[in-house]
Amino acid sequence: AQSVAQPEDQVNVAEGNPLTVKCTYSVSGNPYLFWYVQYPNRGLQFLLKYITGDNLVKGSYGFEAEFNKSQTSFHLKKPSALVSDSALYFCAVRVTSGTYKYIFGTGTRLKVLA
Amino acid sequence: DAGVIQSPRHEVTEMGQEVTLRCKPISGHDYLFWYRQTMMRGLELLIYFNNNVPIDDSGMPEDRFSAKMPNASFSTLKIQPSEPRDSAVYFCASSLGLYNEQFFGPGTRLTVL
Repeated sequence: AQSVAQPEDQVNVAEGNPLTVKCTYSVSGNPYLFWYVQYPNRGLQFLLKYITGDNLVKGSYGFEAEFNKSQTSFHLKKPSALVSDSALYFCAVRVTSGTYKYIFGTGTRLKVLA
Repeated sequence: DAGVIQSPRHEVTEMGQEVTLRCKPISGHDYLFWYRQTMMRGLELLIYFNNNVPIDDSGMPEDRFSAKMPNASFSTLKIQPSEPRDSAVYFCASSLGLYNEQFFGPGTRLTVL
C-alpha cells in the first residue's frame, strides 16, 4: 500500500539549534513529495516540494529537505530554529492509484524552546 | 489574490440539520480539494475536482456527504443529515495542475451537537 509516515508526534528543539522533522514514504513509481506547515487555527501552507532533480530542495522560511531514494525518506531540516517555527508539520506524497491523490502524514508538532 | 476563501469559518448546528460549507478557489486553479481534519483521523481527503468535474470521491464517508462544483469559482460540501461525529475542521484547497502545491483555505470548524 502507498503511504507516508511521520514517526515522531512531537519534536522539541532549542532556539538556534538545527532541527529535523522526519518523513518516510512508500509509493510505486517516482514519488512527488511535499512539506506543509500549519499554524494554529490556520490552513496548511506549502513549504517545499520534490518532483525531480537535485536531492536537496530549498523552500520557504529557510527550510530545506533532502530526498533519499535508498532510504525512502524526505526529512525536513533547518540549520537554526526559531521560536516562530513552532507549528504542526505535514509531509505529503502524491500517489497514483487509479486517480491522482495526495496522502498526508499524521503530522509532527515542532516546539522550539527559547 | 485573496487566496482560497471558505465560509462560514465556524458552524454550530444540531444533529439532523443540513450543513453547507462553501469554497471559492484561487482564480485560474483547475483542481479543488475538500479535506477533513480531526485529532483522531488526521487530515483526510474527501473529494477532489478537476475543471469542475468530480474525479475521486472515494474519501467521502457516507451518502450523507455530497459535494458540487457548479463553476470554476465555487464549490459546496453538504452534509445532510449531520451527526455529532461529523464535527471537524473542513478545509478546501486548490492547485494549478497535478504537480504543483495546494493552497489551503482557513477552514470551517463544524460542531454538531
